[in-house]
Amino acid sequence: DVKVTQSSRYLVKRTGEKVFLECVQDMDHENMFWYRQDPGLGLRLIYFSYDVKMKEKGDIPEGYSVSREKKERFSLILESASTNQTSMYLCASSYIAGVPGELFFGEGSRLTVL
Amino acid sequence: AQSVTQLGSHVSVSEGALVLLRCNYSSSVPPYLFWYVQYPNQGLQLLLKYTTGATLVKGINGFEAEFKKSETSFHLTKPSAHMSDAAEYFCAVSDDPNNNDMRFGAGTRLTVKP
Repeated sequence: DVKVTQSSRYLVKRTGEKVFLECVQDMDHENMFWYRQDPGLGLRLIYFSYDVKMKEKGDIPEGYSVSREKKERFSLILESASTNQTSMYLCASSYIAGVPGELFFGEGSRLTVL
Repeated sequence: AQSVTQLGSHVSVSEGALVLLRCNYSSSVPPYLFWYVQYPNQGLQLLLKYTTGATLVKGINGFEAEFKKSETSFHLTKPSAHMSDAAEYFCAVSDDPNNNDMRFGAGTRLTVKP
C-alpha cells in the first residue's frame, strides 16, 4: 500500500515562530502537493512539486514556502506563523503518468497558531 | 481555470435511504472528475474517478457517479446508506492528466441516522 506520512499530527505554535511540516511518501511518486483544508472552503492548493528541487505555486502560496531536496520528501515551511494560518494541512503525492490518477493523502497535520 | 461547486455542505439521510451528493464543475476543456471521501481524523481517499469512456462510473463501497456533460454535473449516489458512510465527501476536477491542477469543492458532510 502507498503510504504518505506527515511528521506531526498536531502542532501548537506561537505567532512569529518558524514552522516546518514534513511529508514523506514511499511510492517513488514524482508529484507531491501541499493543501490547506478549512471548513466550508474545502482543500486549497498551496504548492506542488513535480520533481526534486522543482516547485510551483498553487492558489494560496502567500506566507508559505516549500522544499524538495529528495524525491520522497516535501516540506512546507511557514517562515513566521500567523493566527490565520491555523488550519489542517494535507500532503499528497501521485505519479506523473499522462493518465489522471488518484492523489494519495497523508492523515493531515493540524496546526494551531496562538 | 476549472472549479467545483458542491451543493449542500451538510446532507442527512436515514440508514437504508438513497444518498445523493451534488457536484457541478466548470472547465474549458473535457475534465477529469473525482470523488474523494474523508473519514474522521484521516486523509482523503479516492472513491471513484471519470476520465474518458463510460459516463457512469462505479467506485468503492457501492458508490457511483454519472458524468453529464450537458449539465456539467458529476453527482455521487448510493442506493442504500450505511452508518459507515458517515464522512465528508469532496468532488474534484482536473484539466491536467498529470494531476498538477486538481481543484476540490468545499465538501459535503454526510450524516446517516439510524
